Amino acid sequence: EAQVTQNPRYLITVTGKKLTVTCSQNMNHEYMSWYRQDPGLGLRQIYYSMNVEVTDKGDVPEGYKVSRKEKRNFPLILESPSPNQTSLYFCASSLSQGAREKLFFGSGTQLSVL
Amino acid sequence: SQQGEEDPQALSIQEGENATMNCSYKTSINNLQWYRQNSGRGLVHLILIRSNEREKHSGRLRVTLDTSKKSSSLLITASRAADTASYFCATDPDTGGFKTIFGAGTRLFVKA
Repeated sequence: EAQVTQNPRYLITVTGKKLTVTCSQNMNHEYMSWYRQDPGLGLRQIYYSMNVEVTDKGDVPEGYKVSRKEKRNFPLILESPSPNQTSLYFCASSLSQGAREKLFFGSGTQLSVL
Repeated sequence: SQQGEEDPQALSIQEGENATMNCSYKTSINNLQWYRQNSGRGLVHLILIRSNEREKHSGRLRVTLDTSKKSSSLLITASRAADTASYFCATDPDTGGFKTIFGAGTRLFVKA
């Protein structure tokens, strides 16, 4: 089944404790992206990747890191989480950078930073 | 910055009625998409309309695009309780970048 898999689904952590949210897609998509969703603000893009080893900042990249060493994986890293990073996070992918016409989303990761 | 802004923020209708949601955006676009989200789950793609198209249909969905007004509307006809969800417009700006920008969404509640 074609899908984008995020883990974990729920995560509670404390300020300053490094964490990684994993994202994997099995559709051979070139383009992958991370979004955070906050009430009243919709989805805001954190980072995106056009292909392996090619990443760029979205609208809200501060406090986050990403890497794209393999085509299928695009982990989101919070080196030193803070409470303002409490949010619902989504990973998404699409076929190619030139055809970001249909994003496929993971089920989301609800992160709470205490 | 928010590219798309949906209107209304929330909409409550009876089953069988039509639901209309609007989206306005700020910059020129390559395409505009509508997505649906059920209760905090991942978004699901509904329909895409390109900048050179004015109207598109898919089942009970009708999307219009007015590039002169930088606006789009999503019409769901003969709504069902199962249509209860949040609906988001997303734009692919014609700026040479690789971002897809989402609005804040419209929450639709369909009463049985």
